Amino acid sequence: SQQGEEDPQALSIQEGENATMNCSYKTSINNLQWYRQNSGRGLVHLILIRSNEREKHSGRLRVTLDTSKKSSSLLITASRAADTASYFCATDDRGSTLGRLYFGRGTQLTVWP
Amino acid sequence: DGGITQSPKYLFRKEGQNVTLSCEQNLNHDAMYWYRQDPGQGLRLIYYSQIVNDFQKGDIAEGYSVSREKKESFPLTVTSAQKNPTAFYLCASSIFTGEKLFFGSGTQLSVL
Repeated sequence: SQQGEEDPQALSIQEGENATMNCSYKTSINNLQWYRQNSGRGLVHLILIRSNEREKHSGRLRVTLDTSKKSSSLLITASRAADTASYFCATDDRGSTLGRLYFGRGTQLTVWP
Repeated sequence: DGGITQSPKYLFRKEGQNVTLSCEQNLNHDAMYWYRQDPGQGLRLIYYSQIVNDFQKGDIAEGYSVSREKKESFPLTVTSAQKNPTAFYLCASSIFTGEKLFFGSGTQLSVL
């Protein structure tokens, strides 16, 4: 399946440090998205990067995409305790007409004050 | 305020009972989705709808049913055939499939 895999499964850092999460996927894509989920809540969209883009920024977030390696990374700079959440990548499948997204299992980020 | 609303927040099901989870959106989105999330797991797609009066099975549709009679509504019924229904259910919508998803706040379903 196209399901992405995030790495690491869990990440624990101190406030002020940078957090890097990675996502790998299997087939060609049109776009890749990152979402955040606080415990017991719905997911919130963070950023979408298209297959012809290599890097995108949004505030303290930086996303890179390497389509040759079928991988993406999410960097959160100067992390805060409020960044504690699960982070998911989601991809579509360029070879499919269905247009659905495939989610990974997520990275649980804990930021200690 | 535009958004997507799920209700109820918590739901309990008895053996042999069907239950229906509500999902309403006022974003004028064509596409709507139902996902299931088990503890520590990612999201698995149950059903999705690209347009009114049309829907497709996702990866784990067995034991579930949906309808899409109105653009703004996409209710999910968990039938008695679903033997392990305890999970967190998330509804989402997007302007069309493959684009940014807007999620509801979820329904936690438990079995009595």
